[in-house]
Amino acid sequence: DTAVSQTPKYLVTQMGNDKSIKCEQNLGHDTMYWYKQDSKKFLKIMFSYNNKELIINETVPNRFSPKSPDKAHLNLHINSLELGDSAVYFCASSQDWGGRGYVPDTQYFGPGTRLTVL
Amino acid sequence: AQSVTQPDIHITVSEGASLELRCNYSYGATPYLFWYVQSPGQGLQLLLKYFSGDTLVQGIKGFEAEFKRSQSSFNLRKPSVHWSDAAEYFCAVGVRQAGTALIFGKGTTLSVSS
Repeated sequence: DTAVSQTPKYLVTQMGNDKSIKCEQNLGHDTMYWYKQDSKKFLKIMFSYNNKELIINETVPNRFSPKSPDKAHLNLHINSLELGDSAVYFCASSQDWGGRGYVPDTQYFGPGTRLTVL
Repeated sequence: AQSVTQPDIHITVSEGASLELRCNYSYGATPYLFWYVQSPGQGLQLLLKYFSGDTLVQGIKGFEAEFKRSQSSFNLRKPSVHWSDAAEYFCAVGVRQAGTALIFGKGTTLSVSS
């Protein structure tokens, strides 16, 4: 009964490959996010989706493309992987912010996917 | 622009001693403040949050934090640290705009010595 799950937990791949990370939440939340944690453990938002609609798209290379088939899932596709993409990627979800007068709610994080590009 | 500063990169505390982790934020409106903990190889877990009301907030695992608007601070405290508290601690501010993504500080690594 994991709240936010990600697969895979570890991903090792070669430069130039294309890979995907999957995220699923069973909390009934309307908003989902992708964060990147770099080697210095700094966390930064990449994308957020609200009810399958892209809300935030930070300055991220267009090799990264989020896809939300339904509001319980937010997958991250990465094309032409580069060495600098090595990081831990966290998925998170929260209750619909819009319906609460734009008050940010608690975000629940998945366990992370450690991506290593060789 | 909104930002969060955690001045201490690494803190070592003896088991049983008290702990205070500092957090300063920069945000023009009412801040929504969070403390998260990340154990090695794990995701982030919410310790506590401040939205409004009482400026002293109680969280899980015996942690508390105090919001001080005049100092733009939201420091995390625990009266007696346990070895299992060794982890990475992140302060974050939630901004009141589309998407409300969290803006994180760079984290403080807590080590606990016996």
